[in-house]
Amino acid sequence: KQEVTQIPAALSVPEGENLVLNCSFTDSAIYNLQWFRQDPGKGLTSLLLIQSSQREQTSGRLNASLDKSSGRSTLYIAASQPGDSATYLCAVRGGADGLTFGKGTHLIIQP
Amino acid sequence: DAMVIQNPRYQVTQFGKPVTLSCSQTLNHNVMYWYQQKSSQAPKLLFHYYDKDFNNEADTPDNFQSRRPNTSFCFLDIRSPGLGDAAMYLCATSSAALSSYNEQFFGPGTRLTVL
Repeated sequence: KQEVTQIPAALSVPEGENLVLNCSFTDSAIYNLQWFRQDPGKGLTSLLLIQSSQREQTSGRLNASLDKSSGRSTLYIAASQPGDSATYLCAVRGGADGLTFGKGTHLIIQP
Repeated sequence: DAMVIQNPRYQVTQFGKPVTLSCSQTLNHNVMYWYQQKSSQAPKLLFHYYDKDFNNEADTPDNFQSRRPNTSFCFLDIRSPGLGDAAMYLCATSSAALSSYNEQFFGPGTRLTVL
């Protein structure tokens, strides 16, 4: 059974810093990996999708990497802003079923 | 804009009183999913429809049922809500082809409170 772990569970950094969020998964047989953002009490906003054959994907200040063989992904956020404060969730797709999610990293960017 | 819509956004029900949550989509996707997310927890898949084929997760309680009358709509029925069913319920869609390109698109969620 696939398990997804995100470290750290919470992170607080000053505005302007670059930061890295970590995600690990136990079964490397995945189709893709998605990073989501969730604001308090809200639904999920998809940030990046990395296909199983890809090593990284970029969108603006966000860069996600994938090392499928070691079961790891990272989300790099450059020049963090207070508006980046949210919970970031990592999820993997292993087959016809839905996504398996981590519990998320709660990120606070201090102005 | 193509999107996933959930109604209502907030639902309050009483212990044991049946409740139905609604999801609709304009993406014309074949697959629709229901996830349950309890406070500070990871979203957990309850079940999904591949067209009209219903696929239940092994550990989804019998209290949870679903209907998909057509491609656009999917409903989550909770027959006798307990206090432990209070959560955010998320609907998602994806296209049918199982490939690494396929992304899941999520609605805004319905926050269920059980009194």
